[in-house]
Amino acid sequence: DAKTTQPPSMDCAEGRAANLPCNHSTISGNEYVYWYRQIHSQGPQYIIHGLKNNETNEMASLIITEDRKSSTLILPHATLRDTAVYYCIVRAMNNAGNMLTFGGGTRLMVKP
Amino acid sequence: EAGVVQSPRYKIIEKKQPVAFWCNPISGHNTLYWYRQNLGQGPELLIRYENEEAVDDSQLPKDRFSAERLKGVDSTLKIQPAELGDSAVYLCASSHRVETQYFGPGTRLLVL
Repeated sequence: DAKTTQPPSMDCAEGRAANLPCNHSTISGNEYVYWYRQIHSQGPQYIIHGLKNNETNEMASLIITEDRKSSTLILPHATLRDTAVYYCIVRAMNNAGNMLTFGGGTRLMVKP
Repeated sequence: EAGVVQSPRYKIIEKKQPVAFWCNPISGHNTLYWYRQNLGQGPELLIRYENEEAVDDSQLPKDRFSAERLKGVDSTLKIQPAELGDSAVYLCASSHRVETQYFGPGTRLLVL
């Protein structure tokens, strides 16, 4: 699976949008971009994933650049409960690639 | 729908003692994963099951670690004997075939 690069930490004011960037310049055509987050003392929580098109669900939006070499996870109105480590992962959706390779992630701190 | 269930949530043992962790995946998920997460790092895959078969156990330290998934549902991960370096969070995840993985809350192991 392609490697990803994320900033180690970010701050965000409560109620503002949190924009978390991820670089994946070596992504292959069949690899998806996945985002998970891990709140302290909990297991990783699935947020969203996408292949080419932008995606939105009740938790977040995922913006993937046209060349697919980078993406941004957007939390539109961050709350204190969004404080967590956010992991960007690229993986192929097949048997051989069916594993998640976690990097260091971005530690997001939402402040009042 | 119930999520992935793990027990115990916490375990403290002395080195050289055995320990076992239990996981019940999401109903209908045929693929089950065990990950280990060391402090300050992302989770790392130990073993992946497709139904009853272990299809990827290359990262499992086989001298002291063992796992089983009888009947293709629940799974147990065992360490015998435990060493100080085994202190970590052990996470179980499940998915329907190669689709999105969902994680349990993890078992936090402390070896003294």
